[in-house]
Amino acid sequence: GAVVSQHPSRVICKSGTSVKIECRSLDFQATTMFWYRQFPKKSLMLMATSNEGSKATYEQGVEKDKFLINHASLTLSTLTVTSAHPEDSSFYICSARVPPTSGRANEQYFGPGTRLTVT
Amino acid sequence: AQSVTQLGSHVSVSEGALVLLRCNYSSSVPPYLFWYVQYPNQGLQLLLKYTSAATLVKGINGFEAEFKKSETSFHLTKPSAHMSDAAEYFCAVSANNQGGKLIFGQGTELSVKP
Repeated sequence: GAVVSQHPSRVICKSGTSVKIECRSLDFQATTMFWYRQFPKKSLMLMATSNEGSKATYEQGVEKDKFLINHASLTLSTLTVTSAHPEDSSFYICSARVPPTSGRANEQYFGPGTRLTVT
Repeated sequence: AQSVTQLGSHVSVSEGALVLLRCNYSSSVPPYLFWYVQYPNQGLQLLLKYTSAATLVKGINGFEAEFKKSETSFHLTKPSAHMSDAAEYFCAVSANNQGGKLIFGQGTELSVKP
């Protein structure tokens, strides 16, 4: 159980275009999902917390107008990188928090990641 | 505020040798502590977690970690390394009052020599 998928796994886009990444919890409902960015040989940087039915909470320094997050259902959150530039190239990983009622306090399950390359 | 420090960005062991990956944390409230493993170009997989129950936590693939409050440590060990253990390992901390946010350490790359 506790499987999280991401789509696409890899995307190449041209500078100035927008890219949408989907994160789905396949076998559980997630009221909270998280989006991370990982640079090569680096740790994960939390970008934002996505809450179902409400606005995302962004970490300091993350541009909310550039990284649009939508959590429209209990199993789907999307991250849209708007007007992408080469510096946005990175590995984006989402995670879904198991429901607090599950008894598995604060556990998060991670998607396989999306490799974004902006040319 | 919470933080995690992983000592050693790279650890190399021989196959069959003891694996020890170090993690120290800082937290103003009782923490939840996690170890995750990441294989190249993949997401993170939960190895084990500490949530204020037993201080010695056993996880998957033969890994275990011991929570030591006096040392603010949560080191990860495995008695005998396998080649398949080569990966990046992340220690993370969270707290109930942070909405489940995970704060990650810098990561430790484990290499296993034949």
